[in-house]
Amino acid sequence: QLQLQESGPGLVKPSETLSLTCTVSGASISSGGYFWGWIRQPPGKGLEWIGSIYYSGSTYYNPSLKSRVTISVDTSKNQFSLKLSSVTAADTAVYYCARVGGITMVRDRRFNYYYYYMDVWGRGTTVTVSS
Amino acid sequence: QSALTQPASVSGSPGQSITISCTGTSSDVGGYSYVSWYQHHPGKAPKLMIYDVSKRPSGVSNRFSGSRSGNTASLTISGLQAEDEADYYCNSYTTSSTVVFGGGTKLTVL
Repeated sequence: QLQLQESGPGLVKPSETLSLTCTVSGASISSGGYFWGWIRQPPGKGLEWIGSIYYSGSTYYNPSLKSRVTISVDTSKNQFSLKLSSVTAADTAVYYCARVGGITMVRDRRFNYYYYYMDVWGRGTTVTVSS
Repeated sequence: QSALTQPASVSGSPGQSITISCTGTSSDVGGYSYVSWYQHHPGKAPKLMIYDVSKRPSGVSNRFSGSRSGNTASLTISGLQAEDEADYYCNSYTTSSTVVFGGGTKLTVL
């Protein structure tokens, strides 16, 4: 049974870098067929997609966060990670990792990825930004 | 990219049907058949209810259905039950291979 588990500090100081890791069990990230993503929910607000990564390292980011976000993958550990730099109180949220489903289409020998739905989620981890 | 537009709240009585709308643009909802819906009970992980506009994952009740017309997608829940009370979110694939969520709708079962 596929399971995802977020881990990382629950408290981060303003201006520092938030770092989280998602450990995947029950399936291999390097098997392909799915992207792996991060989503967050600030207190009292809705869900926000942060970004997604393929096992090959292809990444897509939310344009509003792109300048501060890095998502990476470690297939040897079956993990993927999130780094968000220069955090402020506005980055306080529950952070979820998830498997992202969709479809790959090939046109003119170019791969086009259409991955967008999150079918398996971690339980989420709360990160507070405060001094 | 702007969030998809959902009503803040909807309500219905047990046994009734309700519909939640999700309005975007031709760059997301209207441009691709890639819309999904999530049920989110507070304190739990969101649950995928619909993907590819109208497909149900295995295990999801057939009381949940999805559709789309133009730039607006819709989630319909028939035979409303108390356990359906939750927050519901839509999301869509967009141009540039990004993903956008709706602002969420709180469903109250009266």
